[in-house]
Amino acid sequence: GAVVSQHPSWVICKSGTSVKIECRSLDFQATTMFWYRQFPKQSLMLMATSNEGSKATYEQGVEKDKFLINHASLTLSTLTVTSAHPEDSSFYICSAIEPDMNTEAFFGQGTRLTVV
Amino acid sequence: GQNIDQPTEMTATEGAIVQINCTYQTSGFNGLFWYQQHAGEAPTFLSYNVLDGLEEKGRFSSFLSRSKGYSYLLLKELQMKDSASYLCAVKDSNYQLIWGAGTKLIIKP
Repeated sequence: GAVVSQHPSWVICKSGTSVKIECRSLDFQATTMFWYRQFPKQSLMLMATSNEGSKATYEQGVEKDKFLINHASLTLSTLTVTSAHPEDSSFYICSAIEPDMNTEAFFGQGTRLTVV
Repeated sequence: GQNIDQPTEMTATEGAIVQINCTYQTSGFNGLFWYQQHAGEAPTFLSYNVLDGLEEKGRFSSFLSRSKGYSYLLLKELQMKDSASYLCAVKDSNYQLIWGAGTKLIIKP
């Protein structure tokens, strides 16, 4: 299957700083990527849909100014958590779907963010 | 609205069989997926159903009835490593994935 690489796998940062998470599709072009957040013992929560070359579509309740998404190329989407706070500590996962193919979503490895 | 329901938690015995159900109400249907997720890891793909019927893949099988908005994941010959959360997801008419809350499966010796 297709490969999606997410980096970093874990990061610890201080309150008030910003953290960037990268999501790359390694062997296919992903016009659309999805960013999820998962708190302990809870299911995946879609944060936003990232579309190459256009603005991301955010889910209700997700602050677009806090969670900046950039999808500048067909193989890379980035999520930047700005002015991070301890309550932003979570597991962030990206996924991508091969365009025009009714296949499964391919997930990155996830990023464990801890804000201290 | 769109909704996917699956049990929160199930317990089964090593070597036995367990069936995890999923019911859905979505705007359109372009396939149903089952994923396995171990704690602290990303989900891994298990199965995909777009037509009615049973899809078998080794110890795992997945069934779909579109008219009933229903699917199940069947796990046979349970092993301790099968302890994980199992996520049901439906791709709607916009090809967006709608996720269930997941079923935590606990395997006991």
